[in-house]
Amino acid sequence: SQTIHQWPATLVQPVGSPLSLECTVEGTSNPNLYWYRQAAGRGLQLLFYSVGIGQISSEVPQNLSASRPQDRQFILSSKKLLLSDSGFYLCAWRPTSGGEQFFGPGTRLTVL
Amino acid sequence: SQQGEEDPQALSIQEGENATMNCSYKTSINNLQWYRQNSGRGLVHLILIRSNEREKHSGRLRVTLDTSKKSSSLLITASRAADTASYFCATDPNTGGFKTIFGAGTRLFVKA
Repeated sequence: SQTIHQWPATLVQPVGSPLSLECTVEGTSNPNLYWYRQAAGRGLQLLFYSVGIGQISSEVPQNLSASRPQDRQFILSSKKLLLSDSGFYLCAWRPTSGGEQFFGPGTRLTVL
Repeated sequence: SQQGEEDPQALSIQEGENATMNCSYKTSINNLQWYRQNSGRGLVHLILIRSNEREKHSGRLRVTLDTSKKSSSLLITASRAADTASYFCATDPNTGGFKTIFGAGTRLFVKA
């Protein structure tokens, strides 16, 4: 069966520090991968998605970047965090055929 | 702008009552999905309804889709305290892309 992992679960970082959040998927090949951010009590904002290794589409110009170095690995990064980067970050995957998305447990990021 | 908009934003009911949440969207779609999110957790897929379907059931869940009105509803019958969560609708536009567009969600509170 398929499994999606995200880490860390929580993170507190100072303004200006770098960021690296990792997401890995098991049990499937060539998934579509997604990074979302969720503000408290709000919906999901799509940040990046990827349909293959090295293929990244950015939805919102911002302080973040994403990379997909391996088929089932998706990384969200920043060189210098801003206060506004605080939020709940969710990774998700779905088959290339479309349909439902499968979400990881999320990372709670607080930038101080 | 958000593709899906849920209504109401928040709903509080007694255990045993039915809960109805509505979703409206703006563009033509391939399918519409409903997800559930417990506080601080990832989203869990509940049900997917395709654009050529009008109604779908899964256990205590009933979803309807009216493509002429670009709207959907999620009915949870005989609600339980464990149904307390946020519920999101999401749409796959039929523009050939890979994105799923999420609404802002309805926060449901079921009182025991």
